[in-house]
Amino acid sequence: KQEVTQIPAALSVPEGENLVLNCSFTDSAIYNLQWFRQDPGKGLTSLLLIQSSQREQTSGRLNASLDKSSGRSTLYIAASQPGDSATYLCASEGGSQGNLIFGKGTKLSVKP
Amino acid sequence: NAGVTQTPKFQVLKTGQSMTLQCAQDMNHNSMYWYRQDPGMGLRLIYYSASEGTTDKGEVPNGYNVSRLNKREFSLRLESAAPSQTSVYFCASNSGGGSYEQYFGPGTRLTVT
Repeated sequence: KQEVTQIPAALSVPEGENLVLNCSFTDSAIYNLQWFRQDPGKGLTSLLLIQSSQREQTSGRLNASLDKSSGRSTLYIAASQPGDSATYLCASEGGSQGNLIFGKGTKLSVKP
Repeated sequence: NAGVTQTPKFQVLKTGQSMTLQCAQDMNHNSMYWYRQDPGMGLRLIYYSASEGTTDKGEVPNGYNVSRLNKREFSLRLESAAPSQTSVYFCASNSGGGSYEQYFGPGTRLTVT
């Protein structure tokens, strides 16, 4: 059964810093890995989807990488801003049905 | 194009009451999902529907039933609510299968007293 772990659980950085969020998964036979952002009391916003044949995806200041052999994905945020403060979730699909297995998230706080 | 919509946004129930959470998507997606999110537990799958007319249990199905009314709509029913069902419920959809991006609704915050 796929398990997804995110470390650290919380992270506080000063504005402008580059940072990396980590995600690990136990079953390397995945179809994809998806990163989400969740603001307090809100739903999930999809940030990036990396399909199994890809190594990375980029969107603006965000870059996500996938290394299936080591069971790891990272989300790199460049030049962090206070507006980046949120909880970041990674998820891998749990099977061919498409349901997602989620990590518990990293709560990011970017201080002005 | 509204994406995935859920109603209601908030609900308070007494133990033993029933209710149905509604979900609809306008992206012509085949697959739809219901998750619950609890502090310290993350998001867990309750039920899913791989296509119109089919439903299957997820990780935490006890106490819930679902109906895939048509391709657009997937409802979640609590027949006899319990305090342990206090949670935030999210509906999601994708084109089908594991390769596709999943889109989430805004959630329903349910409190059972």
